[in-house]
This record gives sequence, C-alpha cells and structure tokens, in this order.
Amino acid sequence: KNQVEQSPQSLIILEGKNCTLQCNYTVSPFSNLRWYKQDTGRGPVSLTIMTFSENTKSNGRYTATLDADTKQSSLHITASQLSDSASYICVVSAHGSSNTGKLIFGQGTTLQVKP
Amino acid sequence: KAGVTQTPRYLIKTRGQQVTLSCSPISGHRSVSWYQQTPGQGLQFLFEYFSETQRNKGNFPGRFSGRQFSNSRSEMNVSTLELGDSALYLCASSPDRQNRGDEAFFGQGTRLTVV
Repeated sequence: KNQVEQSPQSLIILEGKNCTLQCNYTVSPFSNLRWYKQDTGRGPVSLTIMTFSENTKSNGRYTATLDADTKQSSLHITASQLSDSASYICVVSAHGSSNTGKLIFGQGTTLQVKP
Repeated sequence: KAGVTQTPRYLIKTRGQQVTLSCSPISGHRSVSWYQQTPGQGLQFLFEYFSETQRNKGNFPGRFSGRQFSNSRSEMNVSTLELGDSALYLCASSPDRQNRGDEAFFGQGTRLTVV
C-alpha cells in the first residue's frame, strides 16, 4: 500500500533554532517528492520538489534531502523564524500517474516557533 | 499572474443540502484536482480533471462529483450533505507538461461547515 509517514507529529522550537522534519514513504514506483508549507486556514505552498536523481534541494532557509534507497526525506529549517510556524506536508507522487492525480500525502508536521 | 482562486471562501450548509464549489486555475494550467482536508484524515484526493474529463478519482462516495469547463475552470458538487463533510476543500492546478517535475499550485480553499 502506498503510504507517506511523517514525524514528529508536532514540534515546538525557539526562534533562531534549527529543526529537521522527517518523511518516510512506501510509494512505488516513485516519481517525485514534494514538501509543502501550509499556514492555518490557507492552501499549501510548495517549498521543494525532488525527483529520483536529486539528493538535496534548497529554498532559502529550507533544505530538503532525499534518499531514494531508504525511501526517506527530510526537511531542514535553519535559523527558524516566527513565520515558520505552520504545518509541513510531505507529498509523494507515483510514477506513471499524472502530476496531481495520485499524490499521496503525509499527515503533516505542525511546527510552532516561539519567541 | 493570478493564483488559483476558489470561491466561496466560507460556506455553512444544513445536512441534506447540496453545495457547489468553484475553482479557477492559474492561466494556462490544464489540470485541476480537488482535495478534502480534515484534522483527522489530513489531505485526501477527491478527483482530477484534465481537458474537461475526469482523469483520476479517489475513494469518495458518488455524492461527490465534479466537472471542468473548456476554460479549465472546475466545479465540485456535494449532494445530500453529511456532518462529516465539514472540511477544507482545496483545489490545485498544474500545467501538466510531460515533465513530471511539475508542481501543483493550491488555492486558499473553501471552508465548508455542515450543521
């Protein structure tokens, strides 16, 4: 069964600190993996998208890694800011499906950054 | 370039009623997908439309239906509303080029409350 599991479920950190969110997947055959940030009451916004051959991709203070062998991904946030408080969702797409037709979503990690 | 627009933003309906939600994709995007997001279930795929045809469908009952118009705008309809249909309904559009790295752009969502 295609599944995406994220950990931790929730996280509280102090402003300025770094943190790492985890995503494990069992989607096969794998096409790409995306990390989204979702502020409360708003739609998800894409942070990174990685295909099989990509190991690392950065977007400002956000750095995503992908290990296709172990089927794991991580999202590292550097020097956190209050505006980073949001849910972070890992989404995996299966090869052969359309771009949005069969995305498998993780449950998300809720991050709270405190001053 | 305008983003994905969903209307209305908020909606309150009574059990048994039906509701229609609207989504205008980014100009030039041909694929539109719909998702239901609830606190307990996370984001779940409803269906995807491409060139006015339903291309993929999730595991939702027949009360949930949709359509896409020639200008790529899409509507989603839920008939005989149940309390459990209360959720944030998100629409995402994608260019759907051959490159599978295409990302999905989400709208702000429609918050549906069934009372």
